Amino acid sequence: EDKVVQSPLSLVVHEGDTVTLNCSYEVTNFRSLLWYKQEKKAPTFLFMLTSSGIEKKSGRLSSILDKKELFSILNITATQTGDSAIYLCAVSEGNEKLTFGTGTRLTIIP
Amino acid sequence: NAGVMQNPRHLVRRRGQEARLRCSPMKGHSHVYWYRQLPEEGLKFMVYLQKENIIDESGMPKERFSAEFPKEGPSILRIQQVVRGDSAAYFCASSPVQGHEKLFFGSGTQLSVL
Repeated sequence: EDKVVQSPLSLVVHEGDTVTLNCSYEVTNFRSLLWYKQEKKAPTFLFMLTSSGIEKKSGRLSSILDKKELFSILNITATQTGDSAIYLCAVSEGNEKLTFGTGTRLTIIP
Repeated sequence: NAGVMQNPRHLVRRRGQEARLRCSPMKGHSHVYWYRQLPEEGLKFMVYLQKENIIDESGMPKERFSAEFPKEGPSILRIQQVVRGDSAAYFCASSPVQGHEKLFFGSGTQLSVL
């Protein structure tokens, strides 16, 4: 069965710290990996990664994919309280379905 | 440009009642997906629809659950004879074309079954 595993399950850090969230996957026909941020409402799209070794950046957030080792990381530098959320990793096999991990709950303490 | 709209935000039903969840995709999007999120679990795919067609319902329970996306109006996820185990957050997502992995999610409907 296809799997997406995220770690850690939860993380509490102080404002200003840097965090790294992990996502490993086992799927039959990998096409892309996506990161979403879920606060109290809708999951919002962060990144989509299809190629190994190419870093995607958006402000203080960045992500990279390793298709050989089957994982991705999401980095957040200089964290702020507004970064507190559940971060979801999902994998697409190109068949209209995304397989999600259980998420990492990130809490930033002021 | 409004995002994906779901209603109601919260729905309370007693065991045995019916639940109807509505989803209006983003303007210009004709592909709709329903996902369910149980407490402390990731989102699980349920069904993928295009206008008037169910494309993939492999994640739908075989009984009591149905979905439609009519030519006019929102997509509806219908749960008949609800049980406590149906309590979950139900999210709808839309995309503009087939095979477009970047989905736009609604805010979800929290279903509570008493």
